[in-house]
Amino acid sequence: DAGVIQSPRHEVTEMGQEVTLRCKPISGHNSLFWYRQTMMRGLELLIYFNNNVPIDDSGMPEDRFSAKMPNASFSTLKIQPSEPRDSAVYFCASSLFTGGFLHNEQFFGPGTRLTVL
Amino acid sequence: SQELEQSPQSLIVQEGKNLTINCTSSKTLYGLYWYKQKYGEGLIFLMMLQKGGEEKSHEKITAKLDEKKQQSSLHITASQPSHAGIYLCGAADNYGQNFVFGPGTRLSVLP
Repeated sequence: DAGVIQSPRHEVTEMGQEVTLRCKPISGHNSLFWYRQTMMRGLELLIYFNNNVPIDDSGMPEDRFSAKMPNASFSTLKIQPSEPRDSAVYFCASSLFTGGFLHNEQFFGPGTRLTVL
Repeated sequence: SQELEQSPQSLIVQEGKNLTINCTSSKTLYGLYWYKQKYGEGLIFLMMLQKGGEEKSHEKITAKLDEKKQQSSLHITASQPSHAGIYLCGAADNYGQNFVFGPGTRLSVLP
């Protein structure tokens, strides 16, 4: 398996532009997570989906951020309009949730390094 | 909301030395995950601990969960340069939601 695939790996954009980050989870996984990592705030969970349904989006910073998962093999995280403070590394992770209250291990993608000028 | 603290923030050790990293939760732990991250890369899963007193080992890395103390420790025996990186602990609430990570411990191993 190729693992979790994210694109693009690097994105440089200007303030006010729309940014779309993409993620392909591992085939067969039913949970997908979007994280943001910065030096100041560390690794923060933005949103997670279970069976393509958003379960917890309390970490989404504001209305400028939106995430979709139209099917089991694809998810997007969109920022519109982007701001310099959105600069960070955005990770996508997937896991197989088999019930109970504990998620199995999450497999992380390589991340997208976003720079908003 | 649950918060995780890690200590130390950073650690520099000589190759061959043992070391311990701690993770303390502000709330009851229902499970604790340890991950390792190399600079510029994603996180790699190390271990998951579910029960108080549980201890798991993988190669030279051992992790233990102390539920009463709401704490977990990660111990590396005879450290090697390949162990260098950032170690993060993660936890979820009792519904498996609100997943949070600690700030990480940056480990450097000098050859």
